[in-house]
Amino acid sequence: AQTVTQSQPEMSVQEAETVTLSCTYDTSESDYYLFWYKQPPSRQMILVIRQEAYKQQNATENRFSVNFQKAAKSFSLKISDSQLGDAAMYFCAYRSPGYGGSQGNLIFGKGTKLSVKP
Amino acid sequence: DAGITQSPRYKITETGRQVTLMCHQTWSHSYMFWYRQDLGHGLRLIYYSAAADITDKGEVPDGYVVSRSKTENFPLTLESATRSQTSVYFCASSVGLNEQFFGPGTRLTVL
Repeated sequence: AQTVTQSQPEMSVQEAETVTLSCTYDTSESDYYLFWYKQPPSRQMILVIRQEAYKQQNATENRFSVNFQKAAKSFSLKISDSQLGDAAMYFCAYRSPGYGGSQGNLIFGKGTKLSVKP
Repeated sequence: DAGITQSPRYKITETGRQVTLMCHQTWSHSYMFWYRQDLGHGLRLIYYSAAADITDKGEVPDGYVVSRSKTENFPLTLESATRSQTSVYFCASSVGLNEQFFGPGTRLTVL
């Protein structure tokens, strides 16, 4: 079974600085999808970024980018120019590509709580 | 565009009572999911549905029942609530197996 591990329960960053959140996963599959979700105090789960395993290029969405290392099974999230609104829980998630059974269900890490200091 | 909604947003109940959490989506997404979120566990899948009348168990299905008679609705029922079911419950939907969109969550307290 696939597992997702976020080794940093809490992180802190100064406003305008850069922070990197770590995520590792375990799978025997060669094709899959990875996601980062943000959960602010409002509890709403918001998709930040996604990465297809077959793509070598790292995904980027504005100030958010990932460092996807397939061989190392690592999927870190970099937040540049951190803003106060970035303070939230961040969850890394894995999904298999197939259909049927539990294929396609998201497997979440336990989350990293990010604080942003003004 | 309402998206995906959950009701109630907050619920307090007593041990042994039946509770139903509602989930409604306006996108006609084929897939719908129920998760629970607990400190130290992240989000865990309870049940999912690939289409109307098709449901299947996730990681933590015990004590829960789901149904999906219409594409847009996916209610979750706790047949006899227990204190261990105190949690925040999220409903989500997706088009096929693309990214999932989440509802705002329901905070359930079982006394």
